[in-house]
Amino acid sequence: DAKTTQPPSMDCAEGRAANLPCNHSTISGNEYVYWYRQIHSQGPQYIIHGLKNNETNEMASLIITEDRKSSTLILPHATLRDTAVYYCIVRGAGSYQLTFGKGTKLSVIP
Amino acid sequence: GAVVSQHPSWVICKSGTSVKIECRSLDFQATTMFWYRQFPKQSLMLMATSNEGSKATYEQGVEKDKFLINHASLTLSTLTVTSAHPEDSSFYICSAYGTDNNEKLFFGSGTQLSVL
Repeated sequence: DAKTTQPPSMDCAEGRAANLPCNHSTISGNEYVYWYRQIHSQGPQYIIHGLKNNETNEMASLIITEDRKSSTLILPHATLRDTAVYYCIVRGAGSYQLTFGKGTKLSVIP
Repeated sequence: GAVVSQHPSWVICKSGTSVKIECRSLDFQATTMFWYRQFPKQSLMLMATSNEGSKATYEQGVEKDKFLINHASLTLSTLTVTSAHPEDSSFYICSAYGTDNNEKLFFGSGTQLSVL
């Protein structure tokens, strides 16, 4: 699976949009981009995933660049409860195991 | 979303004893389950992959005789830490995949193991 690169930490003001970048320049055509988040002492929570097209659900939006080498997770209106470590993961189509990097620690500030 | 239940949430045991952790998929059939371990301030590390009815596949460096995994049904996998030692103290997390989940993988809430 392709490796991902994320900034180690980010701050976001409460109520503003949080834009979390992820670089996956070696991604292959059949690899998915997944986003999970982990709040302290809990299991990772699924947020969203995509292959080529942008995706949106009740939690977030996922914007994937046309060349698929990077993506951005958007939390439209961040709240204090969104403070967590966010993981961007690339997964091959034939495997369902996820390789976690260090993620981005997002701090939502009042 | 689909629910993966993990039990217990935390356990404290004496050195040398064995501890069993359960992972259940509550509303879907999990053809594959994964077990991860997470040490403080570190990321999740995959320990093993289990498919229903077959032997688990362990990652390099994970002792299969120490971490026994059973996936006897499509809704239950268990991880048994045998002869636990203080260095086995960690946060253990399972995840489950089912063919009906539209490529989504869901995680349990984790089990904090403390070995005294």
